[in-house]
This record gives sequence, structure tokens and C-alpha cells, in this order.
Amino acid sequence: QQPVQSPQAVILREGEDAVINCSSSKALYSVHWYRQKHGEAPVFLMILLKGGEQKGHDKISASFNEKKQQSSLYLTASQLSYSGTYFCGTVHGSGNTGKLIFGQGTTLQVKP
Amino acid sequence: EAGVVQSPRYKIIEKKQPVAFWCNPISGHNTLYWYRQNLGQGPELLIRYENEEAVDDSQLPKDRFSAERLKGVDSTLKIQPAELGDSAVYLCASNGRNTDTQYFGPGTRLTVL
Repeated sequence: QQPVQSPQAVILREGEDAVINCSSSKALYSVHWYRQKHGEAPVFLMILLKGGEQKGHDKISASFNEKKQQSSLYLTASQLSYSGTYFCGTVHGSGNTGKLIFGQGTTLQVKP
Repeated sequence: EAGVVQSPRYKIIEKKQPVAFWCNPISGHNTLYWYRQNLGQGPELLIRYENEEAVDDSQLPKDRFSAERLKGVDSTLKIQPAELGDSAVYLCASNGRNTDTQYFGPGTRLTVL
């Protein structure tokens, strides 16, 4: 039931792009993306609801493919501040129960 | 606006000892969550409150864990007695009405020796 994230880890140079994927074996109601830096709280990035929408702000965007039960997070022209562990959290069923199930995380390291 | 507040930030205890964590959610947020995050893993839900009612405690190990949110604001999570496997970060999160966004506190890092 836990979503599967790929890749597990990514190392980039500043300015490079990255894609993080989140796949579920169950039908999705929504997908939530968070970034967590070491020793800190997870910070909310965005929510995507079923319907195949795409969202974005600044250079971070995400898509949600309801049919494939997956979401992708796109990081373009990465900055040092993008380093951290990215988690997707999925909500299942036909309505929002508030129960987020998190993936195992993708560690992103951006080097100068 | 103040974020989710948790205390203590760190706690080291010996096994079989009791321990308690405290959470103050964002003002006005009626939904409160307790998560446990093991090293290298994503957070796992322990319990969810709507106001003072625990609406999902299916993953709370009830033999040793307990939680309360008496007035629908602050919450306390307790472990008694603690075991070595309880070492983890305990995160509290909250969200308001009509929003799905959960805001997390900094967590309490528990080490059981």
C-alpha cells in the first residue's frame, strides 16, 4: 500500500534538472509532495488531486496521472536549496480521509 | 502565524521508562496527527484527531502507546514502557477545515537505550 518512489537518490549539479516519481498500486484520490531537510520538519510543496492535473510554482512542478496511479515531481534548474529528501504522500479512495501514506523518500543532493 | 510546536525536541531514555511528547497545532486547526518516522523512512501515521475525537487510531500500538487531546487543541502522546524499537522521530501535524494540506512540526527525536 505504501507508494514507491524512484529513484532512491539523485546527485545533481546546480542548474540541472531532476524528476522524482511516485507510483501506487491502489487508486489515488490525491498526491502530496513534501521536502525534508536533515533534522527538520517536512515542508509542504504541493497537492495534486485526481483529474490528471499539473501544478507548479517557481521551478518546481508536478503532474498526476490518475490512470497510471502515479505522480511525478519536476525540479528544473536546480539550486543548492533544493537539497533534501522528497516524500510523496498518497490518499486513497473516493474521498479525502486525511490519511496520508508516505513513500520511502528520494534523497536529492545538489552540488555547486 | 506560528507553526506547529513540539516539545521536547530531543529525549533520551532507558528502555522500560515512560516518555511523553507534546504538540501545539497551528491556531484554528481542528485536525491533528501524530506520525512516527524511522531513520531513512517516510512518516507513518499513528493517530488522527478531529477536534478532541480520535477518528483513526488503527496504527497506534495500544498496548504501550496512548494519546489525548482533551480540549481539542494541544495533544500529548505517551509511551509506557518504551522499547528499543521505539527510537524514532515523532512528528505532529495539523490542518484546518476545508484544506488537505498538513503542516508538520519539527518533531521529537526519541532515543531509547
